Amino acid sequence: DIQMTQSPSSLSASVGDRVTITCRASQDISNFLAWYQQKPGKVPKLLIYAASTLQPEVPSRFSGSGSGTDFTLTISSLQPEDVATYYCQKYNSAPRPFGQGTKVEIK
Amino acid sequence: QVTLTESGPARVKPTQTLTLTCNVSGFLVTTSGMCVGWIRQPPGKALEWLALIDWDDDKYYSSSLKTRLTISKDTSKNQVVLTMTNVDPVDTATYYCARAFVSGTGAFDIWGQGTMVAVSS
Repeated sequence: DIQMTQSPSSLSASVGDRVTITCRASQDISNFLAWYQQKPGKVPKLLIYAASTLQPEVPSRFSGSGSGTDFTLTISSLQPEDVATYYCQKYNSAPRPFGQGTKVEIK
Repeated sequence: QVTLTESGPARVKPTQTLTLTCNVSGFLVTTSGMCVGWIRQPPGKALEWLALIDWDDDKYYSSSLKTRLTISKDTSKNQVVLTMTNVDPVDTATYYCARAFVSGTGAFDIWGQGTMVAVSS
């Protein structure tokens, strides 16, 4: 089975900082990569699919890139409302595992 | 409006079978391209993908749990059901169902609110 590995597992950054989260697939998944945001106590929300396509109403400070095995989620200017855990997931075929998550906090 | 609503017991005893239901509204589970999946999240831990069923009734399971899981559809009720046999306290989690539309994003774009299940004697 393909494994999804995220790094870092957590980070603390200041408001306005640029934040980058990486996700690595153990095999080529083309661009079948999604990013989810889960705020504390809330349901996960799809942010990005096809590695770089933002869902409607997702702020433009979020962006995704990558293909094959290496992917990145970037928050260009971290805002207080971005405090959350972010997960990547492959969805080209089943199983569809998630990464272990990256917890983003404000410094 | 598309909604998914999970239901099931709040508590089950170890070794019992857990049955969870996902009630779907706003789309038919038989519509070409529609998939419904189950995901769980133990308290304070990461999301774990469990199973998926597609519009054509093809079924897919987590490799680590496939001997214990069964996913099915009740098309008359527009529901997706997940059963998990021989539960253990480590199965304590919030269980979510979510939709993936192959002709849309392909990812889980609509999630239910989740149902919390505790496994204890």
